[in-house]
Amino acid sequence: EVQLVESGGDLVQPGGSLRLSCTASRFTFSNFEMNWVRQAPGKGLEWVSYISASGGSKFYADSVQGRFMISRDNARNSLYLQMNNLRVEDTGIYYCARLTRGSDYCPAADHWGQGTLVTVSP
Amino acid sequence: DIQMTQSPSSLSASVGDRVTITCRASQTINNYLNWYQHKIGKAPNLLIYSASSLQSGVPSRFSGSGSGTDFTLTITSLQPEDFATYYCQQSYDAPWTFGQGTKVEI
Repeated sequence: EVQLVESGGDLVQPGGSLRLSCTASRFTFSNFEMNWVRQAPGKGLEWVSYISASGGSKFYADSVQGRFMISRDNARNSLYLQMNNLRVEDTGIYYCARLTRGSDYCPAADHWGQGTLVTVSP
Repeated sequence: DIQMTQSPSSLSASVGDRVTITCRASQTINNYLNWYQHKIGKAPNLLIYSASSLQSGVPSRFSGSGSGTDFTLTITSLQPEDFATYYCQQSYDAPWTFGQGTKVEI
């Protein structure tokens, strides 16, 4: 069974930084694209960022562009999200998710971690 | 950015009911449309990808349809474990936006 375990969530002040990690196991991590999705308290799911299998291609939501950076270490089976200049509205549960591609190349998140909680508060 | 609009935002249904949730994209998304189920305190679960393909392990009472900009998730014969929030998501063009969610309640 594919396993994704997030860590690094914490309470941080506005303007602070945090680095989230996602450790993958039971699949060949280097073969899969990955992304981060978050959910603010009482709100819906929000896609945050994408990274290709090699790490050479990255995309971000407008709300985090320039503040967050996604990266991966395929040798360590790990995905990261460096979050800088954090805002109160960045508060929420952050999920890492593995992407698969359908026959028409449509990407979809087929496995998710349980999430890690980030709280940004004065 | 592509906007995804789901309707309704919530609905009440009974076990055994047929439930339909719609999702409209602000521009054509070439069927790059996925549906997820999310229960409180749990990880989201992929139900349907590519608008109509059933994810492995998902019960056949779930189905997806549509093309272009208009898509539908249908649950035939709602089961107790299906009470949750459902999201559509387009993965055609970054940012990969979600709909606002549809909460299915008893």
